[in-house]
Order: sequence, then C-alpha cells, then structure tokens
Amino acid sequence: EVQLVESGGGLVQPGGSLRLSCAASGFTFSDHYMDWVRQAPGKGLEWVGRTRNKANSYTTEYAASVKGRFTISRDDSKKSLYLEMNSLKTEDTAVYYCARVYPLNWNLDYWGQGTLVTVSS
Amino acid sequence: DIQMTQSPSSLSASVGDRVTITCRASQGISSSLAWYQQKPEKAPKSLIYAASSLQSGVPSRFSGSGSGTDFTLTISSLQPEDFATYYCQQYKSYPVTFGGGTKVEIK
Repeated sequence: EVQLVESGGGLVQPGGSLRLSCAASGFTFSDHYMDWVRQAPGKGLEWVGRTRNKANSYTTEYAASVKGRFTISRDDSKKSLYLEMNSLKTEDTAVYYCARVYPLNWNLDYWGQGTLVTVSS
Repeated sequence: DIQMTQSPSSLSASVGDRVTITCRASQGISSSLAWYQQKPEKAPKSLIYAASSLQSGVPSRFSGSGSGTDFTLTISSLQPEDFATYYCQQYKSYPVTFGGGTKVEIK
C-alpha cells in the first residue's frame, strides 16, 4: 500500500525557516518524481514544486511564489522528500501536502495527509 | 502561466442527479488534465488523469472528457459520498496549475 506521511509543520514567525519531511512507503520511491502542494485555510490547491528522480538528475521546478525561498530535496536511501522553507511570509500559512507523480501521465496519484504550517508573530 | 477556470464554483444537487463540472484552460493543454476530489479536512484524491482515464479504484459513475482547452467531469448518478470539492489540474507545462474548485453540496 502506498503511503506518504508528512511531518515538521508548526508555528513559525515571519522571516523564519522550517523544514518539512515526507516519508514514503509501499512503492519504489527512487523511481518517482515527487511534488509539494499547499492549501491555505479555506482556499484552493496551489502547486509548490517538484523534484525529478535520479535518472533526471534530481532537477527541480518551483512556483514563482516560492522560488528562491523554498528548496525541494530528497534522500532516496531514506525514501524521504523534504521541503526547506526560508524567509517565510504570513501568506505561506497553509496545509502542505506531498504527492507522488504518476509516471508517464504526470498527475498526482497519491497524496499524504498534510502538515499545517502557520506563519504568524 | 496557464490559468484554469472551473465553473460553477458551487452547485447544489440531489442524490441520483447527473452532475457536470467544467474546466477551461487559458491555452491548449492537449489531454494533460486531471481531476481530484477533496472532502473536508482530507487530502485530495485522484479521480481522472489524461482528461478521461479513470484512476484505479474510482467508481465508474465518474467520467471525464475534453481536450485542448475545454474539459468536463461528469458524475452520472450522484451518491452521498460524492459531496465534496472537485479540482481540475493541468500538467502540460510548468508551473502546474489548479482550477479554483467546485463545491458540490446537498440540495
């Protein structure tokens, strides 16, 4: 069974940093691209970014709203995905989901349960 | 960026109704479109990919159609567990973008 479990959320002050983790199981993590998607309270879904697999040099893509502040990385040996968030703003407050990218079609076929990040003074 | 516009933003329907949600892309995306269902306080769930392919395990009352810029999600006979918010997503180009969502409520 595919499982994605996020952790690391919490309360942080504006300008602060936070690192989210996503632990994967039930599939060959190293084969897959992985995404982060966020959802502000009461709002819709916003794509944050993507990491490709080793075969594609672990290259990354980001939404303009987070580029230069957020960094996506992965450790295939630990079957883990990470989101390093710096220079946090109040508008980054959201539930952050990790999601597996379905090969060939590029939709997001499995999602974690999410972790809440609150940016507030 | 490709903008995804869903309509309506909300609708009320009864159990057994046929429900159609539309999604329009600001430029052509071929069939690079997915639909997701999200229930309150839950993670989104994949329903449809490649515009019309049903994700494994999803009931056959869900169907998708369209290509280019105009797409639809149809629920042929609405069930109690289908009351949720539905999102379309394009993955033709970066950044990946979602529609604003359609909330399906009980009439």
